[in-house]
Amino acid sequence: DVKVTQSSRYLVKRTGEKVFLECVQDMDHENMFWYRQDPGLGLRLIYFSYDVKMKEKGDIPEGYSVSREKKERFSLILESASTNQTSMYLCASSPPDLLATQYFGPGTRLLVL
Amino acid sequence: AQSVTQLDSQVPVFEEAPVELRCNYSSSVSVYLFWYVQYPNQGLQLLLKYLSGSTLVKGINGFEAEFNKSQTSFHLRKPSVHISDTAEYFCAVNPDNTDKLIFGTGTRLQVFP
Repeated sequence: DVKVTQSSRYLVKRTGEKVFLECVQDMDHENMFWYRQDPGLGLRLIYFSYDVKMKEKGDIPEGYSVSREKKERFSLILESASTNQTSMYLCASSPPDLLATQYFGPGTRLLVL
Repeated sequence: AQSVTQLDSQVPVFEEAPVELRCNYSSSVSVYLFWYVQYPNQGLQLLLKYLSGSTLVKGINGFEAEFNKSQTSFHLRKPSVHISDTAEYFCAVNPDNTDKLIFGTGTRLQVFP
């Protein structure tokens, strides 16, 4: 059974803190994605990685960075958290195929105070 | 750029009634279309996808979708819904020559007894 896990379901941080969101997949997928989900806006792609140490900006990369040192792990970093980064963050993975299904983790709900 | 429009943000329906969730996409030479479902407090999972061939695509849980090129639509249907179908549904398109997905803003289906 395919599995994408995220390190926390809920997280509360203060403005200015550095925040790490971790995602691990056990399917040996090359592609990994970070999205944020906001009511009325759907899912928006923050960053995409197609291989270890490779990354590509998505639609809303400002205020975020990523790290992929190992194939199974993709980290999202908020260098200095702000209140407008309060959101649900979803990680996904897929094989390198235009037609591939993306497999999602359960999400991390981040509240920045 | 490719885009996806889900006109209905919420669709209330009684149990055992039919339902249609609408999705329109911006035109492209080739397009791959997906419907994902997000049950409460979970990540997204694939319902069905259209790659090519027959315009009627069957997915899991009794859902189906029809690809209509002339109307640039990919509406999701189910002839008889259950309470357990209460969820948020996302239409997505795969832009040409990329592994990424562009998601619509989502439609919340609420099934009442």
